[in-house]
Amino acid sequence: DGGITQSPKYLFRKEGQNVTLSCEQNLNHDAMYWYRQDPGQGLRLIYYSQIVNDFQKGDIAEGYSVSREKKESFPLTVTSAQKNPTAFYLCASSRGLTSQGNQPQHFGDGTRLSIL
Amino acid sequence: KQEVTQIPAALSVPEGENLVLNCSFTDSAIYNLQWFRQDPGKGLTSLLLIQSSQREQTSGRLNASLDKSSGRSTLYIAASQPGDSATYLCAVGGDSGGSNYKLTFGKGTLLTVNP
Repeated sequence: DGGITQSPKYLFRKEGQNVTLSCEQNLNHDAMYWYRQDPGQGLRLIYYSQIVNDFQKGDIAEGYSVSREKKESFPLTVTSAQKNPTAFYLCASSRGLTSQGNQPQHFGDGTRLSIL
Repeated sequence: KQEVTQIPAALSVPEGENLVLNCSFTDSAIYNLQWFRQDPGKGLTSLLLIQSSQREQTSGRLNASLDKSSGRSTLYIAASQPGDSATYLCAVGGDSGGSNYKLTFGKGTLLTVNP
């Protein structure tokens, strides 16, 4: 089945540690996104990528890094500089960008990150 | 800055009732509006997307409308079922700043359908 796979489902981070969240899609989509979801808040965009080897900061990029070496993969690293990393992280993809009007975003099942 | 508000924050209805969820946005310069469903601990499932030139979209028991000039959208669910219980999120694509990638999300409406 075509879709977006996020792993792991649960992740724990120690103080001072970097952790990487995986996102893989087999939908042949060009655009990929990372969001953070906190209780009582709407989803907030961390990074997005329109195409391989290109990515742009979203609204809350500080303390995070990404890479886009392959079309199918868009891993997110939560660095030790992110002081409040506990959240639910969601990866999404779309065939094209929002400005094309008819390009829905499709989401994975998320990774829940907690601090030890 | 685009802001999206969803009312009510929570809604509880008996099975079989028809219901309406509301979404409002502050900047009418949008490309599209998307409705999602989120089950507890899960990701988002896309339900309907309405392009800015459209007035409504339908899928099964769901009907979404868009009034861009007034900054409003509604999601109508007919003959609700317990399986419809979830959080429903509204997301607006675009704003006057010309962002070509951004979705701005509301905080969602938690729907409970009681058997």
